[in-house]
Amino acid sequence: DSGVTQTPKHLITATGQRVTLRCSPRSGDLSVYWYQQSLDQGLQFLIQYYNGEERAKGNILERFSAQQFPDLHSELNLSSLELGDSALYFCASSRGAQGAEQYFGPGTRLTVT
Amino acid sequence: GEDVEQSLFLSVREGDSSVINCTYTDSSSTYLYWYKQEPGAGLQLLTYIFSNMDMKQDQRLTVLLNKKDKHLSLRIADTQTGDSAIYFCAVREGGGNKLTFGTGTQLKVEL
Repeated sequence: DSGVTQTPKHLITATGQRVTLRCSPRSGDLSVYWYQQSLDQGLQFLIQYYNGEERAKGNILERFSAQQFPDLHSELNLSSLELGDSALYFCASSRGAQGAEQYFGPGTRLTVT
Repeated sequence: GEDVEQSLFLSVREGDSSVINCTYTDSSSTYLYWYKQEPGAGLQLLTYIFSNMDMKQDQRLTVLLNKKDKHLSLRIADTQTGDSAIYFCAVREGGGNKLTFGTGTQLKVEL
């Protein structure tokens, strides 16, 4: 158990809908990272937040957005969902803004039908 | 951007050593990682090495880094059936925070 929690574990929704994925980092970690794992794209970095501020951005679509709250939990919002958004979404956390060790949560499996 | 390559599949007998290889393209990479993913589970951080090191040993795991050839390997000694999983190599670019992952190597341990 990495100490990073993600909810929900599974999510099934229809095209065009909007969902919110939630992540709580390990105790004491200030950075949260979101990654997407799909069969065709592999594991890709989406975005990082550090202590409430956006720190780095990767291959995140404009339909997706994230935020980190004062209690350091983070939410990833996915809107206007398409079939191709079906994937495993992982959250990771690290101690600092450039923490060497990123610990991953169990992931949320999103299925868009 | 960074490109990280791994072979897709490796099969070994229980008790043998496994060696999983990875190549990367960005010579400014600072940290290089090995993660393990079991079916239906998240990514478990196994070990990592800083780019100024050649080798790191942690119990049954040995990481070797050849910076000149941009080659990273993970050796698992005395491989057990519980080691069967997908192993991901990941690289952190210099000055950045994001990790770039390889495609993963599926390790199958046979009795």
